[in-house]
Amino acid sequence: RKEVEQDPGPFNVPEGATVAFNCTYSNSASQSFFWYRQDCRKEPKLLMSVYSSGNEDGRFTAQLNRASQYISLLIRDSKLSDSATYLCVVNGDLRTDKLIFGTGTRLQVFP
Amino acid sequence: DAGVTQSPTHLIKTRGQQVTLRCSPKSGHDTVSWYQQALGQGPQFIFQYYEEEERQRGNFPDRFSGHQYPNYSSELNVNALLLGDSALYLCASSLDRGQGHQYFGSGTRLTVV
Repeated sequence: RKEVEQDPGPFNVPEGATVAFNCTYSNSASQSFFWYRQDCRKEPKLLMSVYSSGNEDGRFTAQLNRASQYISLLIRDSKLSDSATYLCVVNGDLRTDKLIFGTGTRLQVFP
Repeated sequence: DAGVTQSPTHLIKTRGQQVTLRCSPKSGHDTVSWYQQALGQGPQFIFQYYEEEERQRGNFPDRFSGHQYPNYSSELNVNALLLGDSALYLCASSLDRGQGHQYFGSGTRLTVV
């Protein structure tokens, strides 16, 4: 079983749609969680950290369910510029901040 | 303030050759991690350097080695290249115990032929 699992997609949605991505992780001891965004042939960039209480940044909302070991990302009012791959990331080791990435979920927003 | 810089941006090597990739961390960062990203996959952790020592290693053979210099810059060396080593190699820098917030360079795209 992979340490971090995501649906690879692609998710094809029209502009203005709401889309949700989910991710599960296997290590119950994981402490830090993130969503990174990666554009085609570019480096991953931190989109947002994910906290147990849930957190929002503009059109983006992230939620963490520790009991189910489940992380989600909700994007409201999708823009063409949201088209990218969204990587679910878990901190695999508190001592070293080793990051464990999912395979990514590809989002394509069309006009 | 320069972010994480990597060189070269692209590289083509032949099977069996050796390669060295370079990384300069973001100003003020003391920790460098290296990741390998194969096409269609998420980045995979290779190893991390802190205080010029390898602090943790992922599931990679010892053909993969590294180094960190006193100025925190780092190198990734891969010996006896295989076709399967073709990937995007990403360097990420962070502050020690910075709660996982790592900044990535734009990567080196290595093609082994």
